[in-house]
Amino acid sequence: DGGITQSPKYLFRKEGQNVTLSCEQNLNHDAMYWYRQDPGQGLRLIYYSQIVNDFQKGDIAEGYSVSREKKESFPLTVTSAQKNPTAFYLCASSRTGGGIEKLFFGSGTQLSVL
Amino acid sequence: QKEVEQNSGPLSVPEGAIASLNCTYSDRGSQSFFWYRQYSGKSPELIMSIYSNGDKEDGRFTAQLNKASQYVSLLIRDSQPSDSATYLCAPCDSSYKLIFGSGTRLLVRP
Repeated sequence: DGGITQSPKYLFRKEGQNVTLSCEQNLNHDAMYWYRQDPGQGLRLIYYSQIVNDFQKGDIAEGYSVSREKKESFPLTVTSAQKNPTAFYLCASSRTGGGIEKLFFGSGTQLSVL
Repeated sequence: QKEVEQNSGPLSVPEGAIASLNCTYSDRGSQSFFWYRQYSGKSPELIMSIYSNGDKEDGRFTAQLNKASQYVSLLIRDSQPSDSATYLCAPCDSSYKLIFGSGTRLLVRP
């Protein structure tokens, strides 16, 4: 089955620790995205990538980093610089990054601070 | 700052009624618009997309778009308890990124 796989489902971060959220897709999509969702809020764009080895900052990129070394993979690192990381993180992909394409979402990672 | 405004709700309707969800957006360059449904703790799923002014129907769902008024809405006919969820409006802005509203929580009473 084609789809987007996010792992882990739940993640706990200690003070000062970097953590990495995994996102893999087998849909052969060019574009991939990371969103953050806080309780009762909409999705805010962290980073996006339209092709391999290229990515752009979204609206709330500070304290996060990404890489896009393979078309299938777009991991997100939450660094210690992100002081309020507790949120639901969603990875998504689309066939192209042109804005008219449907977004396919992974099942999400809930990140909490210990 | 590009904004998408939705009434947070909850919008409570009886089973079988029509639910009307509204959304306004600030970016006049937006050309495509999406409605996503999100159940609690789950990821969003696409319900409707609309690109032209007017109405677009798909089963029990109708999306309405008025670009001059910067307004998009979603009507759900014959509402079912399984429709109870949060509905996210997402225009695609002039730089081809989706901007999500904070969503309207819909509650369908049996």
